[in-house]
Amino acid sequence: DVKVTQSSRYLVKRTGEKVFLECVQDMDHENMFWYRQDPGLGLRLIYFSYDVKMKEKGDIPEGYSVSREKKERFSLILESASTNQTSMYLCASRTSGGAGELFFGEGSRLTVL
Amino acid sequence: KQEVTQIPAALSVPEGENLVLNCSFTDSAIYNLQWFRQDPGKGLTSLLLIQSSQREQTSGRLNASLDKSSGRSTLYIAASQPGDSATYLCAVRNDMRFGAGTRLTVKP
Repeated sequence: DVKVTQSSRYLVKRTGEKVFLECVQDMDHENMFWYRQDPGLGLRLIYFSYDVKMKEKGDIPEGYSVSREKKERFSLILESASTNQTSMYLCASRTSGGAGELFFGEGSRLTVL
Repeated sequence: KQEVTQIPAALSVPEGENLVLNCSFTDSAIYNLQWFRQDPGKGLTSLLLIQSSQREQTSGRLNASLDKSSGRSTLYIAASQPGDSATYLCAVRNDMRFGAGTRLTVKP
């Protein structure tokens, strides 16, 4: 069974803290994505990675960075968390071929106080 | 930039009804289109994936169609059940942008 695992389902952090959200996939997928989901705004793409050590900005990269040192792991980093980064964060992966189906993790609910 | 729109935003139907959810996109140069289901507080579960060369895909009571030339896809749910209540989202590839979703409620 395919699996995308997000290490933390629920996090509570304080303003200014550095936050790491981890995502691991076991399907040997080349492409990985980070989205945030907010009521009324839908899913918005933060960053994506076509392969190891590659990264591309999505629609809302400000305040975030990413790391892809190994193929199976894609990390989202909030250098200095702010209250407007309170959200549901969703990680996804897929193969690089045109037929690739997108698979999601269960999500990480981040609250910044 | 690809824009994906889903109509209606919310839908409430009695159990047993057949229903159609709509997804439209602005750029027809897509590799595929994928429909997802999301339960509250959870991640997205893939329902159907339609390749750009296909016209439709079926899985159980679900049927998804794709008309690239008009920039539209529909998800047809037959004989709806209360367990179908969820938010349904579509996403188009190349760049995996999503619609805002349709929140479906099926009343017993």
